[in-house]
Amino acid sequence: QQQVKQSPQSLIVQKGGISIINCAYENTAFDYFPWYQQFPGKGPALLIAIRPDVSEKKEGRFTISFNKSAKQFSLHIMDSQPGDSATYFCAARNFNKFYFGSGTKLNVKP
Amino acid sequence: SQTIHQWPATLVQPVGSPLSLECTVEGTSNPNLYWYRQAAGRGLQLLFYSVGIGQISSEVPQNLSASRPQDRQFILSSKKLLLSDSGFYLCAWRGPAETQYFGPGTRLLVL
Repeated sequence: QQQVKQSPQSLIVQKGGISIINCAYENTAFDYFPWYQQFPGKGPALLIAIRPDVSEKKEGRFTISFNKSAKQFSLHIMDSQPGDSATYFCAARNFNKFYFGSGTKLNVKP
Repeated sequence: SQTIHQWPATLVQPVGSPLSLECTVEGTSNPNLYWYRQAAGRGLQLLFYSVGIGQISSEVPQNLSASRPQDRQFILSSKKLLLSDSGFYLCAWRGPAETQYFGPGTRLLVL
């Protein structure tokens, strides 16, 4: 049973466009929600994270929107660039364990 | 600053051979340590995590085992590798803060 569901599986966006990746969860015990960016052959790198008491967090071109009542959160990448082409994972933490979405492969076309 | 190391970076092993992957963390003490496996084009599967020396929690019954002989060292092992053990193995650590940080990974190919 997958605790964090992520969509879409893949995404193609034109340069300068907005990339949106969505995640949903059921366990209300989750208390921390990070997003990771992974390039081929590399380990995932933390991109941005949010706590459930905050509805939005922005860092540069990356924004997390969090809807606690709907148990959903999303990553928005503004002004998407070819260098953003990577796989993105959402995650949720419960105590010592992190649960990951299945990943979204983003391709930003020049 | 904290850094995490994994070695080897790449490994090709025959079926039935033993395995030992090592992960070490620098610049922090008493971290939580994690082993994940990532199949090609897939998500991250938590294999083991440890909150202290000698304390190992296994998440998925399988052909692998983990040990934590020192505070900042985490080892993933197998006595006999299976073809299905192929994948990208990631070590991660979490300190007092909330965030989990990943190492560079070890790509294992079992032939």
